[in-house]
Amino acid sequence: DGGITQSPKYLFRKEGQNVTLSCEQNLNHDAMYWYRQDPGQGLRLIYYSQIVNDFQKGDIAEGYSVSREKKESFPLTVTSAQKNPTAFYLCASSGLAGSETQYFGPGTRLLVL
Amino acid sequence: AQSVTQPDIHITVSEGASLELRCNYSYGATPYLFWYVQSPGQGLQLLLKYFSGDTLVQGIKGFEAEFKRSQSSFNLRKPSVHWSDAAEYFCAVGRPGAGSYQLTFGKGTKLSVIP
Repeated sequence: DGGITQSPKYLFRKEGQNVTLSCEQNLNHDAMYWYRQDPGQGLRLIYYSQIVNDFQKGDIAEGYSVSREKKESFPLTVTSAQKNPTAFYLCASSGLAGSETQYFGPGTRLLVL
Repeated sequence: AQSVTQPDIHITVSEGASLELRCNYSYGATPYLFWYVQSPGQGLQLLLKYFSGDTLVQGIKGFEAEFKRSQSSFNLRKPSVHWSDAAEYFCAVGRPGAGSYQLTFGKGTKLSVIP
């Protein structure tokens, strides 16, 4: 079955630690996204990528980094510079046009120890 | 830039009752419109979308939505709610001619269902 996988489901971060969230898709989509979701805030775009080896900052990129070495993979690193990382992180993918549906993974919940 | 407003943060309905979730957008032309649903601790699933044509759109799970240009609205409806419909619902707006990354989400409406 085609879809998007995210791992781990839960992730714990210690102070000063960088952690990486995994996102893989087998939908052959060109575009991939990372969103942060906080209660009552909706979804906020962190980073997006429309092609391998290229990515762009979204609305809240500070304290995060990404890479896109393969079309199928778009990992997100939450760095120690992100002072309030506790949130639910969603990865999505789609075609490139504005009419394309974004398909979402199951999410990763990041908690700070 | 477009914006999306979901005026109701939380709605409670009885099982079997009808449902309408409101979504208003600001954009000069006809946008692309989406409704997604999210169960607790899960990702988002597309319910339906509107690009053009018939303004009444049918989706999965018995949901429908109507695009009203004069009211800049895209309200989601279901004639009879089931307990399994309890979830959070998000309206989203995209702009024709823009990239898919320019999708704007509303802040969501949480639906509770009383058995």
